Amino acid sequence: DVKVTQSSRYLVKRTGEKVFLECVQDMDHENMFWYRQDPGLGLRLIYFSYDVKMKEKGDIPEGYSVSREKKERFSLILESASTNQTSMYLCASSPSGLTGAGGYTFGSGTRLTVV
Amino acid sequence: GEDVEQSLFLSVREGDSSVINCTYTDSSSTYLYWYKQEPGAGLQLLTYIFSNMDMKQDQRLTVLLNKKDKHLSLRIADTQTGDSAIYFCAASTGTASKLTFGTGTRLQVTL
Repeated sequence: DVKVTQSSRYLVKRTGEKVFLECVQDMDHENMFWYRQDPGLGLRLIYFSYDVKMKEKGDIPEGYSVSREKKERFSLILESASTNQTSMYLCASSPSGLTGAGGYTFGSGTRLTVV
Repeated sequence: GEDVEQSLFLSVREGDSSVINCTYTDSSSTYLYWYKQEPGAGLQLLTYIFSNMDMKQDQRLTVLLNKKDKHLSLRIADTQTGDSAIYFCAASTGTASKLTFGTGTRLQVTL
């Protein structure tokens, strides 16, 4: 069964900490995405990657960075966590080219609380 | 860029039909999707429709697409309590691999 795995379901971190959220996919997909989900705001794209070592900013990249050293792994980094980054973080992947019938495959999400 | 809008909440009685609506702005969107998110989980692809189709039916689900009005709807027949979830509409941009998501519609099914 193909899937996208996010390393943690729940995380609690302190303000100012550096936080790593890991995402691994086993479908050999070229594209990977990080979203955050907040009530009433839907899904907002933070960063995405079309290939190894390649990254592009999404709609809300401030306060975040990403790393894609291997095709299957896409990491989201909060350089200095703040309380307004408390959210649900969702990773997704898709094959290269136009998004087709398969759409995105999502991970189960990481609920991050910054205290 | 693409903008996708949905109402935030819908309440229906068990056994009734649910209709969740969505509007989008980019007329070049090639695929339109419906995702379902159950509490505490990620998004699961429910169904999709290609832009040259008007309707697609899949068991209890019917997707209607009005390209002229850029309006998409998802009808769930015989709604069950297990259908309670957040439903997201998404549209593919014209030449990229990115999807733009709506805010999600929370469907509440009452007995």
